[in-house]
Amino acid sequence: GAVVSQHPSRVICKSGTSVKIECRSLDFQATTMFWYRQFPKKSLMLMATSNEGSKATYEQGVEKDKFLINHASLTLSTLTVTSAHPEDSSFYICSAQPGLGWYEQYFGPGTRLTVT
Amino acid sequence: SQQGEEDPQALSIQEGENATMNCSYKTSINNLQWYRQNSGRGLVHLILIRSNEREKHSGRLRVTLDTSKKSSSLLITASRAADTASYFCATDAKGSGGSNYKLTFGKGTLLTVNP
Repeated sequence: GAVVSQHPSRVICKSGTSVKIECRSLDFQATTMFWYRQFPKKSLMLMATSNEGSKATYEQGVEKDKFLINHASLTLSTLTVTSAHPEDSSFYICSAQPGLGWYEQYFGPGTRLTVT
Repeated sequence: SQQGEEDPQALSIQEGENATMNCSYKTSINNLQWYRQNSGRGLVHLILIRSNEREKHSGRLRVTLDTSKKSSSLLITASRAADTASYFCATDAKGSGGSNYKLTFGKGTLLTVNP
């Protein structure tokens, strides 16, 4: 149980285009989902916390207009990287939390974004 | 500086040996968790230890927590080549919860188990 999927697993896009990454909880409802960014051989950096039906809470330094997050249902959150630049190239990972009182987060397999 | 700092940054051992990784943090916590990440993949939750616990076991994993020193250790016994991965500790902030709950990850320890 507690499986989280991400799609796509890899994406290459041209500079200036937008890319949407989906995060789905497959066998549970996730009241809260998190989006992280990870640089090579580095730790995870929390970008934002999204709660179903409400606006995402962004971490300091993360541009909300550039990284659009939508948590439209209890099983789906999307991250859209708008007007992508090469410096946006990274590994993006989502995680989901089943509900209030849960401390563990269940992670998706990640999406490798390369902007050319 | 960053909550949740692991050491060593990299550890290379032979199969069958034990591996110990340490994590230090700075603020009071509710829980401390350990996660594993294979190269280019997502994270897998290994174990959670609550702030009022001192030691916890799960299979070949043993985690200790010393809140007075704000540190934790992860011991993997009888290591296998398949244990090769990065290991991260993650802490939450005491008092956080509900929709404000979030984790802060350390920089991780890259463990290599040689066959």
